[in-house]
Amino acid sequence: GEDVEQSLFLSVREGDSSVINCTYTDSSSTYLYWYKQEPGAGLQLLTYIFSNMDMKQDQRLTVLLNKKDKHLSLRIADTQTGDSAIYFCAESMSSSNTGKLIFGQGTTLQVKP
Amino acid sequence: DGGITQSPKYLFRKEGQNVTLSCEQNLNHDAMYWYRQDPGQGLRLIYYSQIVNDFQKGDIAEGYSVSREKKESFPLTVTSAQKNPTAFYLCASSPTGGTEAFFGQGTRLTVV
Repeated sequence: GEDVEQSLFLSVREGDSSVINCTYTDSSSTYLYWYKQEPGAGLQLLTYIFSNMDMKQDQRLTVLLNKKDKHLSLRIADTQTGDSAIYFCAESMSSSNTGKLIFGQGTTLQVKP
Repeated sequence: DGGITQSPKYLFRKEGQNVTLSCEQNLNHDAMYWYRQDPGQGLRLIYYSQIVNDFQKGDIAEGYSVSREKKESFPLTVTSAQKNPTAFYLCASSPTGGTEAFFGQGTRLTVV
C-alpha cells in the first residue's frame, strides 16, 4: 500500500539551509506536496511538484524529486526562526481528487537563533 | 474573504456523547475532506466527498459519520462508537481538477 516516510526532527541555526527529506512507495503518485503547520493551526501549502518534474524552485524553497529512488526533498535557504514548524510531505494519487492525500508523519524543524 | 472555516476551535465531550464538528467553505470547491491528526503522526483520512449528496469512507471511518447536503458544508459527527476520539481534526477542500487542497484551522476535540 501507499506509505510516506519522513524523519521526525531537524535542528538548524538561523541563516543555515534546512533540508527535509521524504520517501514514498507508490510510483503512481501524481502530485507531491510540502505543507507547513504552525502550532495549533491548520496546514499551509508551501509548494508542490508534478510527478514528471525533477526540480521546482520558489523563492527560498527548492523541491527536488528523484523518481527512481522515490525520494522528495525540501530545501529552505537562509532559514529563519519563523520557519520553525512541522513540515509534512504528502502525495496525491489522482489529478481529479487532489485533496485525497497520503501524509508522512511530519518533520519538526527547530531553528535556533 | 474566501476560505474554510472550522468551528469550534476547541471542543470538550463527555464519554458516550456524540459531537458534531462544523466545516464550511466559500471557495466553491466540489470536494471536501476530513482528516484526523494525532501527535507524532501524519494526517489520516476519515471521510471525503467529491460532490453534494455523496461521500466515501477514508482509511479510518469507523466511529465517524458525515453528511453533504450543501456544497458549502461538510459536518463530521464523532459518535460514541469512536473509541479514541481525542485528536486534532482538520477539514480541507479542493476544486475538481485543481492541484491543491486548502485546509481549515482545525478543531481540537478532547474527551473528558
